Amino acid sequence: NAGVTQTPKFQVLKTGQSMTLQCAQDMNHNSMYWYRQDPGMGLRLIYYSASEGTTDKGEVPNGYNVSRLNKREFSLRLESAAPSQTSVYFCASSTLRGRNQPQHFGDGTRLSIL
Amino acid sequence: LAKTTQPISMDSYEGQEVNITCSHNNIATNDYITWYQQFPSQGPRFIIQGYKTKVTNEVASLFIPADRKSSTLSLPRVSLSDTAVYYCLVGGEPPNAGKSTFGDGTTLTVKP
Repeated sequence: NAGVTQTPKFQVLKTGQSMTLQCAQDMNHNSMYWYRQDPGMGLRLIYYSASEGTTDKGEVPNGYNVSRLNKREFSLRLESAAPSQTSVYFCASSTLRGRNQPQHFGDGTRLSIL
Repeated sequence: LAKTTQPISMDSYEGQEVNITCSHNNIATNDYITWYQQFPSQGPRFIIQGYKTKVTNEVASLFIPADRKSSTLSLPRVSLSDTAVYYCLVGGEPPNAGKSTFGDGTTLTVKP
């Protein structure tokens, strides 16, 4: 099983460029999440989607937009990349069954902005 | 937000039991406590989850006192491959998922 797939795995951008990070899950999960992880730190939630058609801001949403394209796919867009957005980005998904369900993570996209 | 506090790092030796504690003083009634393990260059991986008292699975135990303001992950007889960063996450399912926060994690180093 592929689980959660993120593309690309690595990317280098120049300041001001735009980019969309892609995430897809094949576990029929309702909820999907985008996190960023800076070196030596924990994960911070950027945006999440409780179910298809809904999105909500997390802890650090500024500078990002998201699209829940369908139940499988949840993309993260940087409209005008800044060096402060250099980070590792993780996508995750979980079921929604009235109690906390563990999140399943992809292996991340390593993004460097020069 | 249910903020969490964990020790930054811990050292252990192979075969020992390791206990990692997470403090979450403002945990909400509906919040669960979930622990994840992360290896370098990988996404976090679910270890165990609980709401109260004790939960045990094939890899770990989770102890939660009655006031739920802290939790302890217990790893029995660790091996070198348990060297990783361990995170506790306290929070709810959507629509409260935005209130879930990862701490900075505990780096566990297991020595021979």
